Amino acid sequence: DIVMTQSPDSLAVSLGERATINCKSSQSVLYTSDNKNYLAWYQQKPGQPPKLLISWASTRESGVPDRFSGSGSGTDFTLTISSLQAEDLAVYYCQQYYSTPFAFGQGTKLEIK
Amino acid sequence: EVQLLESGGGLVQPGGSLRLSCAASGFTFSSYAMSWVRQAPGKGLEWVSSVIASGHTVQYADSVRDRFTISRDNSKNTLYLQMNSLRVEDTAVYYCAKDHYDYVRGWFDPWGQGTLVTVSS
Repeated sequence: DIVMTQSPDSLAVSLGERATINCKSSQSVLYTSDNKNYLAWYQQKPGQPPKLLISWASTRESGVPDRFSGSGSGTDFTLTISSLQAEDLAVYYCQQYYSTPFAFGQGTKLEIK
Repeated sequence: EVQLLESGGGLVQPGGSLRLSCAASGFTFSSYAMSWVRQAPGKGLEWVSSVIASGHTVQYADSVRDRFTISRDNSKNTLYLQMNSLRVEDTAVYYCAKDHYDYVRGWFDPWGQGTLVTVSS
């Protein structure tokens, strides 16, 4: 089974500053036949269900602000929020959909400094 | 607008059973795979089970295999999760989520609001 590990567990960033969340998979989630990374990022605000932000490691979903970006390949991935807004307070999860059991990282709690 | 509305959660004793439902609207339900994902109180997300659009193929996490059964009724636009032999560690909010394809791809969007299952004596 693929294990997903995020770092840090929590992060405090000032408004307008950059936030970076890392995600590492225990094995590659890059499918060589289509050269795609089977990696998604979700945002979960307090009291709400998760919301898909990014799929294929770097493809932003429709309606997601462009301050959110995803990068990385193989086993190492990053979610970057370029200029933190107050509404970005949330827990962020990475998830691999390369193989079952689909696995999530433990989550990174993003707080406003 | 895609809407997913879960129901059926509640308090049940260890060893008991519950059936969760997820009523879907705003999309062609029979064209998409569907999944259940759970979240224990204050914890992270755990994939539970998925079913392809036709309902003929299902997948389970090891933690629920042989105890939980996923199914769907495409005529009623409804997804189900039959949960038997419930354990304290099954306590969680259970979310249903739509997949992007008719087969199980495993990326979930959107999610319902969830239904809380509490297993306790």
